[in-house]
Formats: sequence, C-alpha cells, structure tokens
Amino acid sequence: GAGVSQSPSNKVTEKGKDVELRCDPISGHTALYWYRQRLGQGLEFLIYFQGNSAPDKSGLPSDRFSAERTGESVSTLTIQRTQQEDSAVYLCASSLDSLAGLSGELFFGEGSRLTVL
Amino acid sequence: AQSVTQLDSHVSVSEGTPVLLRCNYSSSYSPSLFWYVQHPNKGLQLLLKYTSAATLVKGINGFEAEFKKSETSFHLTKPSAHMSDAAEYFCVVSDSGGGADGLTFGKGTHLIIQP
Repeated sequence: GAGVSQSPSNKVTEKGKDVELRCDPISGHTALYWYRQRLGQGLEFLIYFQGNSAPDKSGLPSDRFSAERTGESVSTLTIQRTQQEDSAVYLCASSLDSLAGLSGELFFGEGSRLTVL
Repeated sequence: AQSVTQLDSHVSVSEGTPVLLRCNYSSSYSPSLFWYVQHPNKGLQLLLKYTSAATLVKGINGFEAEFKKSETSFHLTKPSAHMSDAAEYFCVVSDSGGGADGLTFGKGTHLIIQP
C-alpha cells in the first residue's frame, strides 16, 4: 500500500484478555518499529525488526508483550493478559532500512488505540 | 545516553502570529535532531531534520529549526501560524551510538491556534 496500515484503529477489551495488533508496512521497507504512546507522553520504543535479523526486543515492558514479523511484511504485536496500564496508542513505523530509521526517515501508521477496562 | 526535553506541553498562539516550540537535548555523540508532527488521529510525519549540515533547517509547511550546540537547543519556529498547524509536535534526538532504539522522543507539545 501507499502508507503504513494498522488495524484495528480502536480496540476495547477487558482486563485479562489477549489482544493482537497488526501492522502492514510500506512495501520494500525492511525496518519495522513498534512504539507505545501513553496519554501525554512521548513515544516509548517497544521492538524493532530489520530484515531477517533477530528482532531487538529491548523495549518490551514485560513478557506479556511479544511481536512477530514474517519476512519483510506484516507484523503482529500481541499483548497477553492485558492490564489497564496497557491502555495506550500503539504506533507502528517502517523505514527503508535501519540507517534510514536512525536518520529519522520513519513512516508512521495512524496507530491502534487500545483501551483496557 | 541521550534525552530530549520539550519545555512546553501546550502552546497557544493566534492565527497569523509567530510560533515557537522549544526543545533541548542532551547527547553523548554528535546528534541528529528531528521534529515530527502528529495531526489528530493521524500518524507522525517528519517535519524537518538536522544531520550536521546547515544549522538552520527548513521543513515543510513553512517551519524551520535552528541547531544551537552551545545551547543544546533545536527550537521549532514558524513566522505566521495557520489554523492547519494545530497538532502535536515531537522533538526527537538520535545519536550515532544508538541502535534500533536510537531515537528518543520528547513528550510532545500541543500547538493550539486561536482564530
């Protein structure tokens, strides 16, 4: 597609349920990032994929969070046993490669707003 | 280690007046600096970037920013605000020592344009 696509745009779930958030990056972009944006806060890095290399998971806040990416295409962020503190907008971004990413050339999706009741 | 501080959480200006969004940074390396804009319910969009070339950087929509090493600042300005400028603005720092998470985002400044 023309841009980064994320789904669902909004998700309301009950505490303790699992959720899956999807990101479809720009075609040809080898780098993919997940960020969390809490209300009134900056973006918090979660995880990074670059091509077929092992992902950088250093930003994942707990073992309830995981993400997968198939090749250089779609990525799924999974949150297990959701807690109210997980409520946030989850943003996905892609870049041509890691160098482009560090040069700020990130293209963001519109985000998935997660509300945990 | 690197960090970025956006000095104002909210800035309100009248349409047609100048805009100033302040950003200070700290970095152990030679940093690259960026401003991103996020309109309501939209993804972030790169507004402009500094990567050790000219210290005065021009971006889209009439915005510009000046890198001042002595003040560790990278303030965003625009001579005349337009209603369409109302959005959230993020200052971002990236240093050459960073890895995948080498980008550090500020907490954002909400720009309000009064008619």
